[in-house]
Amino acid sequence: SAVISQKPSRDICQRGTSLTIQCQVDSQVTMMFWYRQQPGQSLTLIATANQGSEATYESGFVIDKFPISRPNLTFSTLTVSNMSPEDSSIYLCSVDKAFFGQGTRLTVV
Amino acid sequence: GENVEQHPSTLSVQEGDSAVIKCTYSDSASNYFPWYKQELGKRPQLIIDIRSNVGEKKDQRIAVTLNKTAKHFSLHITETQPEDSAVYFCAASHVRAQKLVFGQGTRLTINP
Repeated sequence: SAVISQKPSRDICQRGTSLTIQCQVDSQVTMMFWYRQQPGQSLTLIATANQGSEATYESGFVIDKFPISRPNLTFSTLTVSNMSPEDSSIYLCSVDKAFFGQGTRLTVV
Repeated sequence: GENVEQHPSTLSVQEGDSAVIKCTYSDSASNYFPWYKQELGKRPQLIIDIRSNVGEKKDQRIAVTLNKTAKHFSLHITETQPEDSAVYFCAASHVRAQKLVFGQGTRLTINP
């Protein structure tokens, strides 16, 4: 099993600013996944973060908007850049298809 | 790419009755099918999964069935209890690819 610590748990941000979300895993994992869950909706994969290489982004998501870092096998960050109200959502990291961080509830005003 | 359709979007059953949620997938290469339970304000929790070399899997009151030919899989919850009330998501992936494609979710309500 894996335990994921994600922070912040929630934030309210001004439009045009950026927020960096962090995920720390208690074991080494090859891939970490970042999802977005809009209110009342399902989970949509943003990107897959591999250590030592560029993240792989899904259709509709771009690196300039959602830059990802993966400096080692236990840690990753997702930045939501130049935020607008449409970015208000829950962002979750995940590993091994079974474990999720507690989520970051982002509100952009 | 993979597409997963989930039905129904909402389901209300009497306590003690059974609940069934169905999903279909499009990519015949998908071979791993997990189900998640998400309670309000909490993270998704893996409750059961099935691989394509198995037709059915059961864990106490929860079972999942898979029909590879028809490309659909179902979650069955028997003897439902109020604590089963939550949103349930199905998903599909290729075991090696690891990334998941989720269904739209089913809000299950158990009425006492």
